[in-house]
Amino acid sequence: RKEVEQDPGPFNVPEGATVAFNCTYSNSASQSFFWYRQDCRKEPKLLMSVYSSGNEDGRFTAQLNRASQYISLLIRDSKLSDSATYLCVVNKDSSASKIIFGSGTRLSIRP
Amino acid sequence: NAGVTQTPKFQVLKTGQSMTLQCAQDMNHNSMYWYRQDPGMGLRLIYYSASEGTTDKGEVPNGYNVSRLNKREFSLRLESAAPSQTSVYFCASSDGGRGETQYFGPGTRLLVL
Repeated sequence: RKEVEQDPGPFNVPEGATVAFNCTYSNSASQSFFWYRQDCRKEPKLLMSVYSSGNEDGRFTAQLNRASQYISLLIRDSKLSDSATYLCVVNKDSSASKIIFGSGTRLSIRP
Repeated sequence: NAGVTQTPKFQVLKTGQSMTLQCAQDMNHNSMYWYRQDPGMGLRLIYYSASEGTTDKGEVPNGYNVSRLNKREFSLRLESAAPSQTSVYFCASSDGGRGETQYFGPGTRLLVL
C-alpha cells in the first residue's frame, strides 16, 4: 500500500460544478498536510495547508479526518482555470525527509 | 524577485555522461530540496539540505550527489547517467525543514539515452 494514495482521475466536470476528492495516508502519526496544484508541465505550487479544524480559502475547502486517515479538497463553482493536477502532501513527522507527495488527481473543467 | 531558478531547462545525455543541475533561491530560505517526478508517481525526494553546510539523503539518493554551495545554491550531480534517471527534476526551498510551504523551481527535463 502506498503511503499517500490519490485517485488519479481524471475528474471531468462542467464549469460551475462542485467537485471533491480525497487523499488517504497510511501513517497515523503524520503531522502536517497540504494540497498543492500542478499545471501541465509546470512546477507544483501550494494551494492550501490543511488544519485539524479544516480551512477554507474562497471556493476551496480542505478538511482533515484523522480517524479515517484522509484529507479532502472541495472546489465549489469550478472555473476553467481550476483544471490542473492536485497533489496531496503529507509530512510523516517533523523531518523534511518524511514529506511524501501523492501522485496527484487530474481535474478537467469543461465549458 | 525570481524565487527558485533552475538550469538547464532541458538536457539530453548519453548513458555514462555526467552533468550538474543548478538551483538557486533568493528568498533567504534555510532548506532546499531536490525531487524527481516520473509519470504516475508523486514527487520523490532525492536529497535535501536543512541548512547551509548540511545535506541528507531522501527516498531515492542512489546515483546522485549534491552540494550546498552556500545558502542560495544547491546543486545535483549525476556522475554516470543511466536511462532510469530520465525524469523531471524539481528543486525547492522552504524557510524551515518541517513541511512548511515549499517553493519550487520550473524544473529540468532530463532524457538519458
